[in-house]
Amino acid sequence: GDSVTQMEGPVTLSEEAFLTINCTYTATGYPSLFWYVQYPGEGLQLLLKATKADDKGSNKGFEATYRKETTSFHLEKGSVQVSDSAVYFCALRTGGANSKLTFGKGITLSVRP
Amino acid sequence: GAVVSQHPSRVICKSGTSVKIECRSLDFQATTMFWYRQFPKQSLMLMATSNEGSKATYEQGVEKDKFLINHASLTLSTLTVTSAHPEDSSFYICSAFRDSLGTDTQYFGPGTRLTVL
Repeated sequence: GDSVTQMEGPVTLSEEAFLTINCTYTATGYPSLFWYVQYPGEGLQLLLKATKADDKGSNKGFEATYRKETTSFHLEKGSVQVSDSAVYFCALRTGGANSKLTFGKGITLSVRP
Repeated sequence: GAVVSQHPSRVICKSGTSVKIECRSLDFQATTMFWYRQFPKQSLMLMATSNEGSKATYEQGVEKDKFLINHASLTLSTLTVTSAHPEDSSFYICSAFRDSLGTDTQYFGPGTRLTVL
């Protein structure tokens, strides 16, 4: 079945540090890939997505590239801010637009001033 | 942006009682809503897919008689945990799929923390 594996957390960085959060997947078929972010006390929000190989999703300075050859979708940001402190979830979807998402465990990022 | 609300945000109940959780799409219609369960430090696990006007589709291992789902309108789905027990304590999250052209996104509610004593 489909699965998503995220690197173990939590991650603590200083402001302006470079961020990489690893995500790999296994899927039947050709999935769409997503990163969701959950800020404290709020619901999950879509951060970015990619629907085919070599696509790069980007938003708010974050980016991730769909790598079919390595089945990966690593999240990166060049310079993190305190406001980026949140839980980040990698997810995939193999069906149509209204089909279910399969999530990774999530990783907590804390950015200190 | 699209907003999904959940009510209540927190509930504490005694073992054996039933608890109803509401999920509402506030500014859009959603024919499909999803219910997830999240354990501490673990992923969101899909429990069921709720379709307006029809029976919910449950994931393997989820008891449909235990977790009753009703999607009576295009903006409301409810999850009722019947005869709740301490092992049902968890964080329940809903999401709604927005059925408008060009939108390819599920919008998530803020979650409901259920504690069964």
